[in-house]
Amino acid sequence: AQTVTQSQPEMSVQEAETVTLSCTYDTSENNYYLFWYKQPPSRQMILVIRQEAYKQQNATENRFSVNFQKAAKSFSLKISDSQLGDTAMYFCAFMKPGSARQLTFGSGTQLTVLP
Amino acid sequence: GAGVSQTPSNKVTEKGKYVELRCDPISGHTALYWYRQSLGQGPEFLIYFQGTGAADDSGLPNDRFFAVRPEGSVSTLKIQRTERGDSAVYLCASSLGTSGTGELFFGEGSRLTVL
Repeated sequence: AQTVTQSQPEMSVQEAETVTLSCTYDTSENNYYLFWYKQPPSRQMILVIRQEAYKQQNATENRFSVNFQKAAKSFSLKISDSQLGDTAMYFCAFMKPGSARQLTFGSGTQLTVLP
Repeated sequence: GAGVSQTPSNKVTEKGKYVELRCDPISGHTALYWYRQSLGQGPEFLIYFQGTGAADDSGLPNDRFFAVRPEGSVSTLKIQRTERGDSAVYLCASSLGTSGTGELFFGEGSRLTVL
């Protein structure tokens, strides 16, 4: 079974600054997918960024980028130029190929962007 | 609709009562998922439908929980003899299929409170 650990329950950052959220996971699989989801107070989970384990290049989506360290089983999210609208819970998630897209989520990090 | 719609948004019930939660996926999405998110935790997988059939119900916690998707579109999650421990946000998601890393689209969830 896979496990996903987010060791930072809460974080805060000043508007326009950069923040990094940590995530580690445990799996015996060699090929898999990793995701970061954002959950604002509306409760809707929104996909922020995804990474295929077989790709060495770190994924980037505008202000969001990841640092994927496969050997260390680490998958951190960097948010640059933080905006007030980035305030939300952030969940790291793991998916095994062939698992019909079952996601295993971490416990989340509450990020607050301060004005 | 444009997104995944879940009703009711909030449901308060008494211990021992029967509850139904509804999910209306994005039109054309063949795969539908139910997740349960307890307070302070990440979502946990309950059940997955491909079309009308439950392809994987390994996440259902016990036989008080049941879900249907009779016409391959709307799904209903049914909880019998509710217990206080069933209190959580129940999230529904849908996707076009189950191959690759196609995005899961989540609804805003139904918050169930069992008194």
